[in-house]
Amino acid sequence: EPEVTQTPSHQVTQMGQEVILRCVPISNHLYFYWYRQILGQKVEFLVSFYNNEISEKSEIFDDQFSVERPDGSNFTLKIRSTKLEDSAMYFCASSVPGQIYGYTFGSGTRLTVV
Amino acid sequence: GIQVEQSPPDLILQEGANSTLRCNFSDSVNNLQWFHQNPWGQLINLFYIPSGTKQNGRLSATTVATERYSLLYISSSQTTDSGVYFCAVERLDSNYQLIWGAGTKLIIKP
Repeated sequence: EPEVTQTPSHQVTQMGQEVILRCVPISNHLYFYWYRQILGQKVEFLVSFYNNEISEKSEIFDDQFSVERPDGSNFTLKIRSTKLEDSAMYFCASSVPGQIYGYTFGSGTRLTVV
Repeated sequence: GIQVEQSPPDLILQEGANSTLRCNFSDSVNNLQWFHQNPWGQLINLFYIPSGTKQNGRLSATTVATERYSLLYISSSQTTDSGVYFCAVERLDSNYQLIWGAGTKLIIKP
């Protein structure tokens, strides 16, 4: 069964540093997403991406965040000047048009800001 | 915005027991999915079920879209079923994001 692959599985970074979280969506999917989950809380939508541009973003997704599809397979989330409160599990997801099979999520990257 | 409520918030059962988890949503939706978050934090997709009934082994799910709820049934529970079960819905006016419930934390005791 096709999978969404995320790397690294765990990243520790110092406050103020920039991090890049990487994702390889399923190859025939066209919509890509980032979600995050602060420990013990709900999963929250960050951003959706289609046709090389952001389709929708939440209030959380401010100027500190950016997304990019640098090549035909990778989808990245960059967090600039990390803060302690950015510590969370970050999930990448992808879907086909119309989301007719639902969303497929990766295993997540646990980001710890110290 | 749309509200997604899950019940119960916590559930402790003995191995072998059956359980029913509920998800209520406040508005019409395009999509509903059930996920299992294992102790390592990974999200496992259980069902894509905007309506109707589906079964996969010991798990089954039913969504009654007109009444705005979905049920997840787990039969003959095993310790590996422990974790948090999330319901997530896609708003009718958005094709791009899932709104998540707070989850049901399930503990299966041996």
